Order: sequence, then C-alpha cells, then structure tokens
Amino acid sequence: SQQGEEDPQALSIQEGENATMNCSYKTSINNLQWYRQNSGRGLVHLILIRSNEREKHSGRLRVTLDTSKKSSSLLITASRAADTASYFCATAPPSNDYKLSFGAGTTVTVRA
Amino acid sequence: DGGITQSPKYLFRKEGQNVTLSCEQNLNHDAMYWYRQDPGQGLRLIYYSQIVNDFQKGDIAEGYSVSREKKESFPLTVTSAQKNPTAFYLCASSQGAAQHFGDGTRLSIL
Repeated sequence: SQQGEEDPQALSIQEGENATMNCSYKTSINNLQWYRQNSGRGLVHLILIRSNEREKHSGRLRVTLDTSKKSSSLLITASRAADTASYFCATAPPSNDYKLSFGAGTTVTVRA
Repeated sequence: DGGITQSPKYLFRKEGQNVTLSCEQNLNHDAMYWYRQDPGQGLRLIYYSQIVNDFQKGDIAEGYSVSREKKESFPLTVTSAQKNPTAFYLCASSQGAAQHFGDGTRLSIL
C-alpha cells in the first residue's frame, strides 16, 4: 500500500530558485526518508529524519517533519540543472522498518 | 566500488514464460529487496529478505518468487502467473534504514 503522497506531482523552476515539495502519510512512523530518482535509474537515498526530529539539513537539502499533521517537506535551495529528477518520500511502520511505502513522487524540472 | 548490480538492463518475455532477474550486491548488507515501479507511480514492494535463507512477501508478491541462498544474491523470478509483468524492477539492499538501489531491469512482454 502506498502510504506517502507527494505534492505537487510536478514542479518546474528556474536554476537558482528553491524547490519545495511535500509528503503526507497516514499512519505512525519511526522515520521518514527522501529519495531521488533520475530518469531510468535507481533511487538514491537523500536524507532520513526520525520521528522525534523536526528538521534536518544536508548540504542544500532541508527536511522538516510534523508528526502531528503527518507531513514532511523537502526544500532544495539554489537549484541546479542536475537536480532535475523525481523525488519520493518513503515511510515504514514502527513494527517493521523493512517494509517501506513510497509515494508516487514529485517530478522536478530545473530550467537553465 | 561497492554497489548493487542488476542484470539484464532490458528483458523481454514471451507469454507463458518464466524469467529471472539478477541482483548482486557487494555492500555486505544483510537485507535485500525487490520493488516494481509502473509509469508515473512510486515503488511497490514485491519481496524482501532480512537475512540469508529467509524472505517475506511484500505487498504484491503474487506471480513472483525469490530465493536467498547467498548473502550477495537475491534473484527474482517473474512467473507466468504474473498477468501484467511489464514494469521497471528495482533491487535494493540495506544495513539499517537507508536503502541502496541498483539501476533496474525493464521487463517487457513480446
């Protein structure tokens, strides 16, 4: 079952602008992860935020988590053409860290 | 370099045939996974294995089978019972929460 849902489905921005995408989920989680997928390739893990964390940074990425609203956001600052990809959030139930559920993703296009 | 190798990159299946997709990892990870991705959708879990000689069904296991005889290898067989096998198949491994993915096998029906 797909627990996470990303919003928007697609996003087009100019190089240098920021990109924000959101993820909502339905049930309790231990952690939430964000992955990137370039066209025709496998997924690359970007960042993991635990349920007791509210914000996490990694380079140009900033992730927030609001467990009361069951939502997370991923912000990419100062976007580059290489950031063009699909971005997925993934969650697992507290009872089983192995069973990740992925949303349908947000497709980001960065225009030069 | 450590990583996950999936082969072949493209695979074609005739009606009624079983086909096996290969997944090998040299990351020394205990856990391995198989996912299916359909166009414009997220990943759906087919099977996963937490340790050698053990595996569990995911959300869409019907029509698929796996084995985990070696730590490095987790092959997926798409059987003739899988009526809609055309998809992009991704293998992953993990030692902890973050999963590492191969570059996928695209399966099509002739």
